[in-house]
Amino acid sequence: GAGVSQSPSNKVTEKGKDVELRCDPISGHTALYWYRQRLGQGLEFLIYFQGNSAPDKSGLPSDRFSAERTGESVSTLTIQRTQQEDSAVYLCATSRGDHNFFNYGYTFGSGTRLTVV
Amino acid sequence: GNSVTQMEGPVTLSEEAFLTINCTYTATGYPSLFWYVQYPGEGLQLLLKATKADDKGSNKGFEATYRKETTSFHLEKGSVQVSDSAVYFCALINTGGFKTIFGAGTRLFVKA
Repeated sequence: GAGVSQSPSNKVTEKGKDVELRCDPISGHTALYWYRQRLGQGLEFLIYFQGNSAPDKSGLPSDRFSAERTGESVSTLTIQRTQQEDSAVYLCATSRGDHNFFNYGYTFGSGTRLTVV
Repeated sequence: GNSVTQMEGPVTLSEEAFLTINCTYTATGYPSLFWYVQYPGEGLQLLLKATKADDKGSNKGFEATYRKETTSFHLEKGSVQVSDSAVYFCALINTGGFKTIFGAGTRLFVKA
C-alpha cells in the first residue's frame, strides 16, 4: 500500500480482555517496528521484525505481550489480559531494509489508540 | 548506552517567531540523527535527517546541524507558522544498530 496502515484506529476494551492490533506495512518494507506511546510521553520500543523473524523482542513489557509477522507483510501485536496501564497509542513503523533506516528513517502508521477500562 | 535528551515543552511562540528546540545525544558510535514531527491525531513523520558530522538536514524551513563536538542536533526555524504546532521528536540510530532511540518529544504551540 501507499502508507503504513494500522487497525483499528481506536479500541476500547475491558480490563482482562485480549486485544489484537494490526499493522500493514508499505510493500517492500522488510523492517517493521512496534512502539508504544503513553499519553504525554515519548516512544517506547517494543519489538523489531526483519522479515518474519524478530531479532529483538527486548522491549515487550511482559509475557502478556506478543507479536508475529507473516513473511514481509502484516504484523499483529496481541495483548492478553489487558490492564489499565496498557492504555496507550501503539505505533507501527516500517523501513525499506536491513540498513536503509540508517539513511532514510522510518515511515509510521497513524497508530491504534487503546483504552482499557 | 545510546540516549537522546531534548528540551521539555511545551514551547509557546507567536507566529513568525524564531524557533529552537534543543537536542543532545549520547552514542558509542557514529549515529544517524533525525527529527520527526507528530501533528495532532497523526503518526510520526520524518522531518529531516543527518547521517554524519557537520551535515545539515533541512525540510519545510526547518534545519538542524549534526555537531559531533557538542553531541547536539538542535532544530531551528526562522519564522514559525500556526501550522507548525505539533510534537517534535529527536532521534538516533547508531552505527550497526537497527533500533531508533527517541527523545521524549517537545510540544510546540504557535499562536496567531
